[in-house]
Amino acid sequence: GAGVSQTPSNKVTEKGKYVELRCDPISGHTALYWYRQSLGQGPEFLIYFQGTGAADDSGLPNDRFFAVRPEGSVSTLKIQRTERGDSAVYLCASSLNHEETQYFGPGTRLLVL
Amino acid sequence: AQSVTQLDSQVPVFEEAPVELRCNYSSSVSVYLFWYVQYPNQGLQLLLKYLSGSTLVKGINGFEAEFNKSQTSFHLRKPSVHISDTAEYFCAVSDAKAAGNKLTFGGGTRVLVKP
Repeated sequence: GAGVSQTPSNKVTEKGKYVELRCDPISGHTALYWYRQSLGQGPEFLIYFQGTGAADDSGLPNDRFFAVRPEGSVSTLKIQRTERGDSAVYLCASSLNHEETQYFGPGTRLLVL
Repeated sequence: AQSVTQLDSQVPVFEEAPVELRCNYSSSVSVYLFWYVQYPNQGLQLLLKYLSGSTLVKGINGFEAEFNKSQTSFHLRKPSVHISDTAEYFCAVSDAKAAGNKLTFGGGTRVLVKP
């Protein structure tokens, strides 16, 4: 079956611009997670959705970062006024519910020039 | 809060030799433990997980890991590696009591299998 998909696979933007990263979870998965993986490091948690609501956004680094999941399926991670330090691979994962295994997408590689 | 330390950033190993990847964690609460593998240009894939019960956990592709509570470790082993095991391996933990199961990852260990 289809796994978690993320678009775009690569995104190059200029400092100060706004970007949106999209995640399509596995069908039927109610839990959705965003992580960020900087070069040479392990992924870091950003935000977790249960259904449509953000149940835990403690990992968002600042108020430039925001995520939505309006219909409980697709999620969009939004970054305002991008900075060079935002350059990383943004990973999305979904699970059947919050207790089950997380399945990861291939990630979106963001480069801020 | 939890933290995870993977003691080796890179592990070179010859084909058909055994490999052990070390993982230590720190947590004030009980945890679930995971090992994920990331092949080049692919997403993270779960190798195995420990939730409860037997401390020896067997996963996919011949990997196994042992949970040692007293040493707060969850080392990953494979008795004989293949070239195809070349990848980056991540150890992760989550709070067993918290809703949400957010993962805290270690820095990763890059395994290079040589012929």
